Amino acid sequence: EVQVVESGGGLVQPGRSLRLSCTTSGFNFGDYAVSWVRQAPGKGLEWVGFISNSVYGGETDYAASVKGRFSISRDDSKNIVYLQMNSLKSEDTALYYCTRDPGYSKYSWIDSWGQGTLVIVSS
Amino acid sequence: DIQMTQSPASLSASVGDRVTITCRASHHVGSYLNWYQQKPGKAPRLLIYRTSSLHSGVPSRFSGTGSETDFTLTITNLQREDFATYYCQQSYSSPLTFGGGTKVEI
Repeated sequence: EVQVVESGGGLVQPGRSLRLSCTTSGFNFGDYAVSWVRQAPGKGLEWVGFISNSVYGGETDYAASVKGRFSISRDDSKNIVYLQMNSLKSEDTALYYCTRDPGYSKYSWIDSWGQGTLVIVSS
Repeated sequence: DIQMTQSPASLSASVGDRVTITCRASHHVGSYLNWYQQKPGKAPRLLIYRTSSLHSGVPSRFSGTGSETDFTLTITNLQREDFATYYCQQSYSSPLTFGGGTKVEI
């Protein structure tokens, strides 16, 4: 069974940092790309960033709203992806989903979603 | 950035209805258009990828058509469990962008 589980969310003050983890199981993790997608309370879906699979060299890409503040990394030996979030702002408050992309092309589609981890940025 | 515009933002329907949701891209996206369904308090789930391919386990009453800039999700014989919010997403180029969502209500 495919499992995607996020952790690391919580309440954090503006300007501080937080690292989210995405632990996966049930599939060959190295074959897949991963995107982080967030959803502010009562709002729609916003793509945050992406890390490709090894075929595409583990390239990363980010939304303009987080570029330079957020970074994504992966450890294929542990089947984990990380989202490092620095200089957090109130507008980063959202439920953060870790998602799986089958990697048939650089960007394919999201075929599996975690349940999300809530990040609240507030003083 | 490619902007994705969904219409309508919400609609009311009844069980058994045929429902059509449209998604328009500000630039061509080829066939790189995906559809997701989200129910309250739940993570989204994939319905359709690459415009018209039905994801595994998704009922055949869901279908997708379109190309380049104009796309449609159709639900035939709407069921109670289909009342949800639907999002389109382009995966043609970065940043990957979602439409604003269409809420299907009773």
